[in-house]
Amino acid sequence: GAGVSQSPSNKVTEKGKDVELRCDPISGHTALYWYRQSLGQGLEFLIYFQGNSAPDKSGLPSDRFSAERTGGSVSTLTIQRTQQEDSAVYLCASSPSGGSGGYTFGSGTRLTVV
Amino acid sequence: EDQVTQSPEALRLQEGESSSLNCSYTVSGLRGLFWYRQDPGKGPEFLFTLYSAGEEKEKERLKATLTKKESFLHITAPKPEDSATYLCAVQASSNTGKLIFGQGTTLQVKP
Repeated sequence: GAGVSQSPSNKVTEKGKDVELRCDPISGHTALYWYRQSLGQGLEFLIYFQGNSAPDKSGLPSDRFSAERTGGSVSTLTIQRTQQEDSAVYLCASSPSGGSGGYTFGSGTRLTVV
Repeated sequence: EDQVTQSPEALRLQEGESSSLNCSYTVSGLRGLFWYRQDPGKGPEFLFTLYSAGEEKEKERLKATLTKKESFLHITAPKPEDSATYLCAVQASSNTGKLIFGQGTTLQVKP
Protein backbone atom coordinates (compact mmCIF):
# COMPACT_ATOMS: atom_id res chain seq x y z
CA GLY A 1 0.00 0.00 0.00
CA ALA A 2 0.90 3.66 -0.11
CA GLY A 3 1.58 3.92 3.60
CA VAL A 4 1.77 1.96 6.83
CA SER A 5 -1.65 0.72 7.81
CA GLN A 6 -2.64 -0.07 11.40
CA SER A 7 -5.81 -1.61 12.71
CA PRO A 8 -7.90 -1.08 14.63
CA SER A 9 -7.49 2.68 14.96
CA ASN A 10 -9.14 2.57 18.38
CA LYS A 11 -9.56 -0.28 20.82
CA VAL A 12 -11.28 -0.26 24.21
CA THR A 13 -10.80 -3.40 26.24
CA GLU A 14 -11.48 -4.59 29.74
CA LYS A 15 -8.65 -5.13 32.16
CA GLY A 16 -7.41 -8.70 31.96
CA LYS A 17 -8.44 -9.29 28.34
CA ASP A 18 -6.00 -10.02 25.53
CA VAL A 19 -5.68 -7.69 22.52
CA GLU A 20 -4.08 -7.95 19.10
CA LEU A 21 -2.90 -4.95 17.15
CA ARG A 22 -2.10 -5.25 13.47
CA CYS A 23 0.43 -3.47 11.27
CA ASP A 24 0.68 -3.69 7.49
CA PRO A 25 3.96 -2.08 6.42
CA ILE A 26 4.86 -0.49 3.11
CA SER A 27 5.41 -3.17 0.50
CA GLY A 28 9.08 -4.01 0.14
CA HIS A 29 10.14 -2.52 3.46
CA THR A 30 12.23 -5.11 5.25
CA ALA A 31 12.40 -3.35 8.62
CA LEU A 32 9.40 -2.99 10.92
CA TYR A 33 9.20 -1.32 14.33
CA TRP A 34 6.69 -1.01 17.14
CA TYR A 35 6.69 1.98 19.50
CA ARG A 36 4.37 3.04 22.29
CA GLN A 37 3.37 6.64 23.03
CA SER A 38 1.74 7.33 26.36
CA LEU A 39 0.00 10.61 27.18
CA GLY A 40 2.62 13.29 27.65
CA GLN A 41 5.45 10.84 27.05
CA GLY A 42 7.90 10.36 24.25
CA LEU A 43 7.89 7.38 21.95
CA GLU A 44 9.06 4.23 23.68
CA PHE A 45 10.72 1.53 21.58
CA LEU A 46 9.14 -1.91 21.87
CA ILE A 47 10.44 -4.27 19.18
CA TYR A 48 12.24 -4.28 15.82
CA PHE A 49 12.10 -6.80 12.97
CA GLN A 50 14.66 -6.85 10.17
CA GLY A 51 14.21 -9.35 7.38
CA ASN A 52 14.71 -12.91 8.56
CA SER A 53 16.91 -11.93 11.50
CA ALA A 54 15.88 -12.57 15.10
CA PRO A 55 13.86 -9.58 16.30
CA ASP A 56 15.23 -7.08 18.82
CA LYS A 57 12.78 -7.49 21.68
CA SER A 58 14.74 -5.40 24.16
CA GLY A 59 11.99 -2.79 24.58
CA LEU A 60 9.10 -5.08 25.45
CA PRO A 61 8.04 -4.01 28.97
CA SER A 62 6.93 -7.43 30.22
CA ASP A 63 6.31 -11.00 29.10
CA ARG A 64 2.67 -10.06 28.56
CA PHE A 65 3.81 -8.36 25.36
CA SER A 66 4.76 -10.31 22.24
CA ALA A 67 4.96 -9.66 18.52
CA GLU A 68 5.36 -11.62 15.38
CA ARG A 69 5.87 -10.84 11.75
CA THR A 70 4.56 -13.32 9.23
CA GLY A 71 6.07 -13.75 5.80
CA GLY A 72 8.25 -10.69 6.27
CA SER A 73 5.21 -8.45 5.96
CA VAL A 74 2.26 -8.06 8.33
CA SER A 75 3.03 -7.83 12.04
CA THR A 76 0.83 -8.42 15.06
CA LEU A 77 1.51 -7.04 18.54
CA THR A 78 -0.26 -9.03 21.24
CA ILE A 79 -0.82 -7.86 24.79
CA GLN A 80 -2.06 -10.50 27.19
CA ARG A 81 -3.95 -9.83 30.40
CA THR A 82 -4.10 -6.10 29.72
CA GLN A 83 -3.55 -3.62 32.54
CA GLN A 84 -4.60 0.01 32.78
CA GLU A 85 -0.98 1.13 32.40
CA ASP A 86 -1.00 -0.47 28.94
CA SER A 87 -3.30 2.34 27.75
CA ALA A 88 -1.38 4.24 25.08
CA VAL A 89 -1.08 4.79 21.35
CA TYR A 90 0.79 1.94 19.71
CA LEU A 91 2.65 3.06 16.61
CA CYS A 92 4.10 0.89 13.90
CA ALA A 93 6.72 2.05 11.41
CA SER A 94 8.62 0.55 8.51
CA SER A 95 11.73 1.42 6.53
CA PRO A 96 13.41 0.04 3.42
CA SER A 97 16.18 -1.52 5.47
CA GLY A 98 17.37 -1.70 9.03
CA GLY A 99 19.62 1.01 10.32
CA SER A 100 17.73 3.86 8.71
CA GLY A 101 15.89 6.32 10.91
CA GLY A 102 13.78 7.63 8.07
CA TYR A 103 10.86 5.52 9.17
CA THR A 104 7.33 5.84 7.80
CA PHE A 105 4.88 5.64 10.69
CA GLY A 106 1.30 4.51 10.68
CA SER A 107 -1.40 6.53 12.42
CA GLY A 108 -1.37 4.21 15.39
CA THR A 109 -3.83 2.23 17.46
CA ARG A 110 -5.20 4.02 20.51
CA LEU A 111 -5.64 1.38 23.22
CA THR A 112 -7.75 2.14 26.26
CA VAL A 113 -7.92 -0.41 29.07
CA VAL A 114 -10.88 0.11 31.37
CA GLU B 1 22.57 5.58 28.97
CA ASP B 2 21.43 7.08 25.66
CA GLN B 3 19.17 10.05 26.29
CA VAL B 4 17.41 12.85 24.40
CA THR B 5 16.05 16.03 26.01
CA GLN B 6 14.00 18.59 24.11
CA SER B 7 13.26 22.16 25.10
CA PRO B 8 11.05 23.99 25.48
CA GLU B 9 8.15 21.61 26.08
CA ALA B 10 5.78 24.11 24.49
CA LEU B 11 6.28 27.20 22.36
CA ARG B 12 3.79 29.80 21.23
CA LEU B 13 4.74 32.09 18.37
CA GLN B 14 3.02 34.75 16.35
CA GLU B 15 2.94 34.16 12.64
CA GLY B 16 6.23 35.38 11.20
CA GLU B 17 8.07 35.24 14.54
CA SER B 18 11.17 33.07 14.03
CA SER B 19 12.52 30.83 16.79
CA SER B 20 14.48 27.65 17.51
CA LEU B 21 13.77 24.32 19.17
CA ASN B 22 16.54 22.54 21.04
CA CYS B 23 17.43 18.85 21.22
CA SER B 24 20.23 17.86 23.59
CA TYR B 25 21.50 14.30 23.43
CA THR B 26 23.91 11.86 24.98
CA VAL B 27 24.60 8.73 23.01
CA SER B 28 27.32 6.11 22.82
CA GLY B 29 28.41 6.92 19.29
CA LEU B 30 25.95 8.83 17.13
CA ARG B 31 24.79 7.05 14.02
CA GLY B 32 22.17 9.65 13.17
CA LEU B 33 19.90 12.33 14.60
CA PHE B 34 16.36 12.61 13.29
CA TRP B 35 13.62 15.21 13.37
CA TYR B 36 9.96 14.30 13.00
CA ARG B 37 6.76 16.31 12.96
CA GLN B 38 3.63 14.90 14.61
CA ASP B 39 0.12 16.26 14.13
CA PRO B 40 -2.65 15.35 16.60
CA GLY B 41 -4.04 11.88 16.01
CA LYS B 42 -1.37 10.99 13.48
CA GLY B 43 1.94 9.18 13.45
CA PRO B 44 5.20 11.12 13.27
CA GLU B 45 6.27 12.36 9.84
CA PHE B 46 9.94 12.22 8.95
CA LEU B 47 11.63 15.59 8.35
CA PHE B 48 15.44 15.31 8.48
CA THR B 49 18.40 13.09 9.21
CA LEU B 50 21.72 14.58 10.36
CA TYR B 51 24.81 12.42 10.64
CA SER B 52 27.76 14.56 11.71
CA ALA B 53 28.53 17.77 13.57
CA GLY B 54 28.33 20.82 11.35
CA GLU B 55 25.75 19.30 9.05
CA GLU B 56 22.66 21.33 8.13
CA LYS B 57 19.45 20.40 6.32
CA GLU B 58 16.65 22.67 5.12
CA LYS B 59 13.06 22.19 4.09
CA GLU B 60 10.82 25.17 3.43
CA ARG B 61 10.78 27.23 6.64
CA LEU B 62 12.67 24.61 8.66
CA LYS B 63 16.41 24.27 9.09
CA ALA B 64 18.08 21.62 11.25
CA THR B 65 21.64 21.89 12.54
CA LEU B 66 23.84 19.52 14.52
CA THR B 67 26.71 19.83 16.99
CA LYS B 68 28.38 17.12 19.05
CA LYS B 69 25.96 17.65 21.92
CA GLU B 70 22.77 19.13 20.48
CA SER B 71 20.64 19.87 17.47
CA PHE B 72 18.51 22.87 16.70
CA LEU B 73 15.42 23.12 14.55
CA HIS B 74 15.16 26.69 13.35
CA ILE B 75 11.77 27.89 12.18
CA THR B 76 11.86 31.00 10.01
CA ALA B 77 8.75 33.14 9.61
CA PRO B 78 6.42 30.35 10.77
CA LYS B 79 2.84 29.99 9.58
CA PRO B 80 -0.15 28.55 11.48
CA GLU B 81 0.20 25.30 9.49
CA ASP B 82 3.59 24.76 11.13
CA SER B 83 1.76 24.14 14.41
CA ALA B 84 2.58 20.58 15.51
CA THR B 85 4.72 18.60 17.92
CA TYR B 86 8.32 18.29 16.80
CA LEU B 87 10.19 15.18 17.89
CA CYS B 88 13.92 14.60 17.98
CA ALA B 89 15.45 11.13 18.03
CA VAL B 90 18.91 9.61 18.01
CA GLN B 91 20.22 6.33 16.75
CA ALA B 92 23.30 4.93 18.46
CA SER B 93 25.95 3.26 16.36
CA SER B 94 25.56 0.19 18.56
CA ASN B 95 21.83 -0.16 17.93
CA THR B 96 20.72 -0.99 14.43
CA GLY B 97 17.30 0.48 13.77
CA LYS B 98 16.26 1.51 17.26
CA LEU B 99 15.64 5.22 17.86
CA ILE B 100 15.61 7.01 21.21
CA PHE B 101 13.04 9.82 21.16
CA GLY B 102 12.79 13.01 23.17
CA GLN B 103 9.51 14.16 24.70
CA GLY B 104 8.88 16.64 21.92
CA THR B 105 8.20 20.36 21.62
CA THR B 106 4.63 21.41 20.92
CA LEU B 107 4.61 24.47 18.70
CA GLN B 108 1.60 26.71 18.28
CA VAL B 109 1.74 29.47 15.69
CA LYS B 110 -1.00 32.07 15.98
CA PRO B 111 -2.16 34.10 12.98
